[in-house]
Amino acid sequence: DTAVSQTPKYLVTQMGNDKSIKCEQNLGHDTMYWYKQDSKKFLKIMFSYNNKELIINETVPNRFSPKSPDKAHLNLHINSLELGDSAVYFCASSQGWENTEAFFGQGTRLTVV
Amino acid sequence: TQLLEQSPQFLSIQEGENLTVYCNSSSVFSSLQWYRQEPGEGPVLLVTVVTGGEVKKLKRLTFQFGDARKDSSLHITAAQPGDTGLYLCAGLSNTNAGKSTFGDGTTLTVKP
Repeated sequence: DTAVSQTPKYLVTQMGNDKSIKCEQNLGHDTMYWYKQDSKKFLKIMFSYNNKELIINETVPNRFSPKSPDKAHLNLHINSLELGDSAVYFCASSQGWENTEAFFGQGTRLTVV
Repeated sequence: TQLLEQSPQFLSIQEGENLTVYCNSSSVFSSLQWYRQEPGEGPVLLVTVVTGGEVKKLKRLTFQFGDARKDSSLHITAAQPGDTGLYLCAGLSNTNAGKSTFGDGTTLTVKP
């Protein structure tokens, strides 16, 4: 019954590999997000999709590519992983984007070695 | 770039004490939210404040939005160990709809 679920929860991989993180929400929301939280707990938005359309694309290396096959899913693919990509990645969703509550997943802790 | 600075960054207090966390910016936000995040979990929304000067109460938590909508405070009365966590403020952009800017967080530890 998890509202926003992301898999995997933990991901350890070597530099240079390509990996994907999946996110699904069962809340019927039309907006989904990816955030990155660094070791200092700073949470920064990476991407936002509304009705499968990209509306926010922050200054993120183009090695990161979000894919939204439908409104309920927003996956994140990362190519050529680097040490600096190590962080916790959070998926979130909301109904609209103005003054609305964002529901976050449990996060995916990515460690690049 | 809209920045939100929170203070203090770390706070360790005894159960029963009161505390205030501040969230400051030089930018104006259409609204401001406070989240609490526990270890291994995602942030959970506590409140959204929209109007300048607005005060909202959630049990022992009191949230205030500054008159100019540039800052906010979170006051906790008689803190309990269950209040322990990372508190994040997030401002919703006045000019870039859909973008939330998060503060750098306040880690609160309440000791029994």
